Amino acid sequence: DGGITQSPKYLFRKEGQNVTLSCEQNLNHDAMYWYRQDPGQGLRLIYYSQIVNDFQKGDIAEGYSVSREKKESFPLTVTSAQKNPTAFYLCASSSGARNYEQYFGPGTRLTVT
Amino acid sequence: GENVEQHPSTLSVQEGDSAVIKCTYSDSASNYFPWYKQELGKRPQLIIDIRSNVGEKKDQRIAVTLNKTAKHFSLHITETQPEDSAVYFCSLGGNQFYFGTGTSLTVIP
Repeated sequence: DGGITQSPKYLFRKEGQNVTLSCEQNLNHDAMYWYRQDPGQGLRLIYYSQIVNDFQKGDIAEGYSVSREKKESFPLTVTSAQKNPTAFYLCASSSGARNYEQYFGPGTRLTVT
Repeated sequence: GENVEQHPSTLSVQEGDSAVIKCTYSDSASNYFPWYKQELGKRPQLIIDIRSNVGEKKDQRIAVTLNKTAKHFSLHITETQPEDSAVYFCSLGGNQFYFGTGTSLTVIP
């Protein structure tokens, strides 16, 4: 459980505003991931990063942006271009990109009205 | 991306019965297959995983079987208890991770 945190737990924004979700880990993991989870659906990958200063788009990257300036931090910005941003956002980390357990943060529930 | 199909989407069992959830995939390069349990409003947590050099792995009441030739793997929960009620996700590990759409398991006391 411990070692990967997300803040805030709940976030409310008006349509048209950008919002940044925080993800921090102290597990010394190289890889970090952002997922979006909608009701009754699985986890869909937004972005992932296998190393500092490098990241790749996942399946649903449109309307999102990330940065990986530090190993322990991988913030996600939900931009106004994301057409349906209300969702539960999960951050995860793992020690390597392949074959290693992912540890998830507690999630941020974003509501945009 | 990778297509991971998970069945069934919902499953209800009586307490003490067994539950089986199956996933099929298409990426033959995958060699890491974890299963996650997610309780309502909580984060997914790893419950068991298997690597491609193993056909079966068991941890108390939970087991996973893998058939790489047929490209499917299954989660087996025996002697189910009410606290097993949750959503279960299969996953594939590769350059990125892919997830099934989840199975909502309800164990009826």
